[in-house]
Amino acid sequence: DAGVTQSPTHLIKTRGQQVTLRCSPKSGHDTVSWYQQALGQGPQFIFQYYEEEERQRGNFPDRFSGHQFPNYSSELNVNALLLGDSALYLCASSARTADSGSAFFGQGTRLTVV
Amino acid sequence: GNSVTQMEGPVTLSEEAFLTINCTYTATGYPSLFWYVQYPGEGLQLLLKATKADDKGSNKGFEATYRKETTSFHLEKGSVQVSDSAVYFCALSPWGQGGKLIFGQGTELSVKP
Repeated sequence: DAGVTQSPTHLIKTRGQQVTLRCSPKSGHDTVSWYQQALGQGPQFIFQYYEEEERQRGNFPDRFSGHQFPNYSSELNVNALLLGDSALYLCASSARTADSGSAFFGQGTRLTVV
Repeated sequence: GNSVTQMEGPVTLSEEAFLTINCTYTATGYPSLFWYVQYPGEGLQLLLKATKADDKGSNKGFEATYRKETTSFHLEKGSVQVSDSAVYFCALSPWGQGGKLIFGQGTELSVKP
């Protein structure tokens, strides 16, 4: 079992550009959540997808959007990048029927905006 | 609203010392509580959890008790090892919000031989 896989591992973008990050959940998991982790901070919840729909959303602007595919994989899109979007982006997967919060995390995508 | 506050780090201990990392929370209803650990160069891993008041979560010698009266979930270990050096995150999942996690800012632990 490969666990949660994210790609790419590192990315450098220019301010104003758009970026897409990808996540494949752990086998057997149907729910994907995305988090933003700034340096030295705890992860902050962006949104969660289940059955290809956004189910919950944190306090992030509409520049952050996502998608979930029929195979449960997910993408996070960020438009009009700002310097402040530089962070580690974490994907977490879980099974909808499992205990809440028992999520498995990927190693993240390090996004640098210059 | 919902929030988690952890003691600030970094915490530096000698091997075999006793560890406490304080965590308090604010939440409506009855959240589930978690400790996650992030080893250098690795992703976040669930260390332990507790889903109701007075529950004790435990794993790898670590334990934490869900204290509703003090809204706390302090992490303890009787004898730390160098391999425990990592960043520890306290988190809560609000009741009825299907797995959304709210994290504290993290506490970096460094254990010296």
